[in-house]
Parts: sequence; C-alpha cells; structure tokens
Amino acid sequence: KAGVTQTPRYLIKTRGQQVTLSCSPISGHRSVSWYQQTPGQGLQFLFEYFSETQRNKGNFPGRFSGRQFSNSRSEMNVSTLELGDSALYLCASSPGDSSADTQYFGPGTRLTVL
Amino acid sequence: AQSVAQPEDQVNVAEGNPLTVKCTYSVSGNPYLFWYVQYPNRGLQFLLKYITGDNLVKGSYGFEAEFNKSQTSFHLKKPSALVSDSALYFCAVSSGRLSFGAGTTVTVRA
Repeated sequence: KAGVTQTPRYLIKTRGQQVTLSCSPISGHRSVSWYQQTPGQGLQFLFEYFSETQRNKGNFPGRFSGRQFSNSRSEMNVSTLELGDSALYLCASSPGDSSADTQYFGPGTRLTVL
Repeated sequence: AQSVAQPEDQVNVAEGNPLTVKCTYSVSGNPYLFWYVQYPNRGLQFLLKYITGDNLVKGSYGFEAEFNKSQTSFHLKKPSALVSDSALYFCAVSSGRLSFGAGTTVTVRA
C-alpha cells in the first residue's frame, strides 16, 4: 500500500500571501489529521477530519482552515501568512475514528514564509 | 487534559549498549500511548503503541516499550542500539488527537 503523500514538499511564500497544502491518505483510511512542527513549539495538533467532517480542532487562529473531500483527501489552507507560520506541516491518516487507531504520517510540507 | 513528558532532551549511548528513552504521561481514563521516530527531513514513523493488555509492547526495528500504570510511564527500550537508531523520538498520547512530548534526540556513537 502506498503511504501518506503530501504536496508540495517545499514552499516559499511571503508575508500576507495564502497557501494550500494537500494530503492524500493511505487507501481506505477515512481520518486525516494535520500537525504543525516547529523548533520552538514542537508538534502541535491543527485539526482532524473524518468522513468530510471536522471532528477536532487545535488552538490555532482562524487563518488556519482545512477540508476533506469524499475520497478522503484533505487540504489545509493558511491565509495572511505570518513569519511564525514557517514550519513543517505534517499530515497523518488512520483507518477510522478510534483514539486507539495508529496515525501514519506523510513526509511533510516545509513552508518558509519570508 | 492529557499530556506526556519526555524528561531528557538528549540521550547518548555507544553502539551495542542498551537504549532507554523515557516518557511519562498524564491522562484521565485509559491511556492510548504511542512512540514515533523522526529522521532528518522526514515525517514521523510509527514504532509501537499500547492500548491494553500486556505491559510489554514489542514494535518495529527491535524496539519495545514497557507500560507502567503505577508510575504513569511508557519508556522505550532497545537491548542493543545501532548507529542507525540515531534520530528524534517522540512519545504521544491519543484522545483522537495526538499530544506529543517535546522529543528526545538519540545519538548512538560507533
């Protein structure tokens, strides 16, 4: 089975722009979660989608949004980029909606905001 | 609220020696605990998890972890470390979302 894929792998944007990141989960997985990883804050949960519905949301401003499509692919959008949004954005998929399910991570998208 | 703590920022061991990476947790209810490893410029790779049952969990690449309810710990162990085990290790607790520890950098010297 193919793993979780994320596109693009690298992005460079300037302050004020917006960006869309894409995640394709493992085939058959219905849950997709997004995390932000920075040296200062570590790994922080952004949001989780299951069957096209947002089930959980982390403590991030409204500039961060996401969605999930009927084929379980997910996108996250960050509007009005700030320097502090520079981070590795990780997507993870899991088979269902159980807390016991293992989340499998993609390679991440490295976003640099100049 | 749930959380995990990894008390050591760095662990250094010689190749062939035992490796232990510490993790303590705080949860209400039954804990679902995970270990992940991250190599440079890569995503997180799943190593093992504890859901219920046997306190000793075996995972990938020869790693195992011991769940200790009384000490609220879930330490990762490997009997004989390899240089290729050098990486960043994360402990996490799940309630749907994963809450990660700060990570422990493991360096295995030849």
